[in-house]
Amino acid sequence: EVQLVESGGGLVQPGRSLRLSCAASGFTFDDYAMHWVRQAPGRGLEWVSGISWNSGSIGYADSVKGRFTISRDNAKNSLYLQMNSLRAEDTALYYCAKAKSYGSGCFDYWGQGTLVTVSS
Amino acid sequence: QPVLTQSSSASASLGSSVKLTCTLSSGHSSYIIAWHQQQPGKAPRYLMKLEGSGSYNKGSGVPDRFSASTSGADRYLTIYNLQFEDEADYYCETWDSDTHVFGGGTKLTVL
Repeated sequence: EVQLVESGGGLVQPGRSLRLSCAASGFTFDDYAMHWVRQAPGRGLEWVSGISWNSGSIGYADSVKGRFTISRDNAKNSLYLQMNSLRAEDTALYYCAKAKSYGSGCFDYWGQGTLVTVSS
Repeated sequence: QPVLTQSSSASASLGSSVKLTCTLSSGHSSYIIAWHQQQPGKAPRYLMKLEGSGSYNKGSGVPDRFSASTSGADRYLTIYNLQFEDEADYYCETWDSDTHVFGGGTKLTVL
């Protein structure tokens, strides 16, 4: 059974940093691209960032480019999101999502999310 | 970069069927999309991948009541024999190279 478990969320002041983690199990982690998707309170889904199976291809939404960094550790079956210079508009539930393929492709499994609140 | 347009809301009666639409922006009518369901208070769930040809591939455990089709730039999700548990937000998703995009979502109410 595929499981994606996010952690690392919390309350943080504007301008500070936070690192999210996603622990994956139930599939061969290094065969698939992985992504972060967020959902602000009462809003729709917003893709944040994605990384290919070997970290050779990485993409970011314009809203986070230059502030967020995605990475993965295939030996630990883990995905990360380093979030710097956080803003109030980054407040959201952050989901880890598994892609259907090693590179581009839609998401076929989602985690339960970790909540990030940016506020003074 | 493609843009996906969805109606903000839809409603249908218990036991009836409903057809939700996701429209691809100009120049992107051949793109593959995916449909995801998000029930209230829950994480999204992958339903199916839908190609421009109309061929679709459902996720694990998705009931037979869910199907999909295509017409030009429009991608449809049809739910037959609506159940109360189908009341949810439905999102379409597509991608272009390293970038993904979601539609704004359709809130489905089962009456």
